[in-house]
Amino acid sequence: QKEVEQDPGPLSVPEGAIVSLNCTYSNSAFQYFMWYRQYSRKGPELLMYTYSSGNKEDGRFTAQVDKSSKYISLFIRDSQPSDSATYLCAMSAGYQKVTFGTGTKLQVIP
Amino acid sequence: DTEVTQTPKHLVMGMTNKKSLKCEQHMGHRAMYWYKQKAKKPPELMFVYSYEKLSINESVPSRFSPECPNSSLLNLHLHALQPEDSALYLCASSQEPGQVNTEAFFGQGTRLTVV
Repeated sequence: QKEVEQDPGPLSVPEGAIVSLNCTYSNSAFQYFMWYRQYSRKGPELLMYTYSSGNKEDGRFTAQVDKSSKYISLFIRDSQPSDSATYLCAMSAGYQKVTFGTGTKLQVIP
Repeated sequence: DTEVTQTPKHLVMGMTNKKSLKCEQHMGHRAMYWYKQKAKKPPELMFVYSYEKLSINESVPSRFSPECPNSSLLNLHLHALQPEDSALYLCASSQEPGQVNTEAFFGQGTRLTVV
């Protein structure tokens, strides 16, 4: 079993839709939960991070962590064509190593 | 300046060549990282430098040799690579080693093709 599981998609939604991206994990030691956005042929860009359980909101983006279910989510409200990218979840036990999910490719159609 | 700059952007090399990838940041970050990313796969950690000293080597083959000449610069020396080493090589940095979770900046990567 992989430490981090993420549906690769692709996920296609119409502009304005609410997007839900999810990851599950198996390592109970993970304390930091991150979401990265990666445009084609570019490096990943850190969108948000959450420490332990709970929700965090930043503009149109909301990150949720449910440690009891080992499940994390990223919601994007009012999705825009510019949100089209691959979204990678990532997790860490608090040391220097970060474990990434395989990424979900999102396409927002105008 | 919140950039991590990687050069070259693209590199094609033969299996007998020796080449180097370069990464530079001027944010005063004390931790720098090399990742390898194959197509449609997540980044995989290769090396971590903390305060210019190698702190993590994820069992990377010796044909990859990292070097940190100073706190702003990170190199990856390549020698006798195989075609399966073709990938996007990403450099990242964070203020402190423990802040890779909350504040990590990635470069745009070097797309390496080994022929």
